[in-house]
Amino acid sequence: SQKIEQNSEALNIQEGKTATLTCNYTNYSPAYLQWYRQDPGRGPVFLLLIRENEKEKRKERLKVTFDTTLKQSLFHITASQPADSATYLCALAGWGGNKLVFGAGTILRVKS
Amino acid sequence: EADIYQTPRYLVIGTGKKITLECSQTMGHDKMYWYQQDPGMELHLIHYSYGVNSTEKGDLSSESTVSRIRTEHFPLTLESARPSHTSQYLCASSATDRGQETQYFGPGTRLLVL
Repeated sequence: SQKIEQNSEALNIQEGKTATLTCNYTNYSPAYLQWYRQDPGRGPVFLLLIRENEKEKRKERLKVTFDTTLKQSLFHITASQPADSATYLCALAGWGGNKLVFGAGTILRVKS
Repeated sequence: EADIYQTPRYLVIGTGKKITLECSQTMGHDKMYWYQQDPGMELHLIHYSYGVNSTEKGDLSSESTVSRIRTEHFPLTLESARPSHTSQYLCASSATDRGQETQYFGPGTRLLVL
């Protein structure tokens, strides 16, 4: 069955460092992959989308890579700040209007 | 911030009561979704709609029902609440651009059934 795996353990890093979060998937051939941010008690907020034929996408301090051979996406936040502390979800979708499938998310804590 | 609203934000109710969770969006999106999410767990799709008078059950079985009479409104109803229904309920709508869909979420309703 299709499965999306994100680190279940929280990632704790120091302010100013680069945070790297991982999203692995199996039994899936996504057309595109998305990353969302979710703060406690709130709904997820869309951050970035990367297509299957793209290797890398950047937006300000955010960078996403997508390796369809490894079936993996990496999400980087450079120069991290305490305000970046949140849960980050990856989501995948196939072609033809298939519904988005979300991972469980990884908690990121940035300490000052 | 997306223009999608959910009420109430918090609800504490006794077993057996009927409840309706409201969700409205002003973006004119055809697709709308309801997810259930427990603390620290993934989102589970329980209902979705691709337009007026269209509703489908999601991947997670739910005793709730939904209706879509107007594009902007997608309420979820529980006829008889039980403690097992305690959870956070998130509503979303989506826009599609060049075949790629982005979802916009409401703030959620946190439900506690005693």
